[in-house]
Amino acid sequence: GENVEQHPSTLSVQEGDSAVIKCTYSDSASNYFPWYKQELGKRPQLIIDIRSNVGEKKDQRIAVTLNKTAKHFSLHITETQPEDSAVYFCAANPGSNYQLIWGAGTKLIIKP
Amino acid sequence: NAGVTQTPKFRVLKTGQSMTLLCAQDMNHEYMYWYRQDPGMGLRLIHYSVGEGTTAKGEVPDGYNVSRLKKQNFLLGLESAAPSQTSVYFCASMRGAGGHEQYFGPGTRLTVT
Repeated sequence: GENVEQHPSTLSVQEGDSAVIKCTYSDSASNYFPWYKQELGKRPQLIIDIRSNVGEKKDQRIAVTLNKTAKHFSLHITETQPEDSAVYFCAANPGSNYQLIWGAGTKLIIKP
Repeated sequence: NAGVTQTPKFRVLKTGQSMTLLCAQDMNHEYMYWYRQDPGMGLRLIHYSVGEGTTAKGEVPDGYNVSRLKKQNFLLGLESAAPSQTSVYFCASMRGAGGHEQYFGPGTRLTVT
């Protein structure tokens, strides 16, 4: 079955710098790759997603890139701000289509 | 729209007690899920449903049962609670197949003593 690995587990960056979180997946049939943000004590919420027919997608300060050949996708956050501090989860939708396979999460810390 | 709601928000159980967690969604979504999230950990799928009257096991189903008698509701039952079931439980719903956003409820914080 599908397996999603996420790195790093913790990432600390200076406010204003960029942050990059990477995920790899194993099932070449996976076709949908969302990223969720979970603030402390809150529910996970979708921040951006990408489908397998697209290589890159941007939404203001966040972007996601997908490399289908290498089976990896990444979240890029530019000009980081204190409110970006959270846990970020990547996920992949395998060919079965009815569930998401989740990465283990990355705790992003923004240093003032 | 309320989205996905969960009842209760907090609960403390003694070992061996039973309880039911209720999840409700008003988005007419076909798919519904129950996850557990232990402190500092990721999301683990307990059970899921792809439609009214259907349920299936996820990654960690032992000790839990579910029912989906109505499309908008998904119930998670603990028959005999154990301390290892202390966790935050999230319900989620999704429109259907083809890769869509999963919408999460606010979570239920369960402590088993």
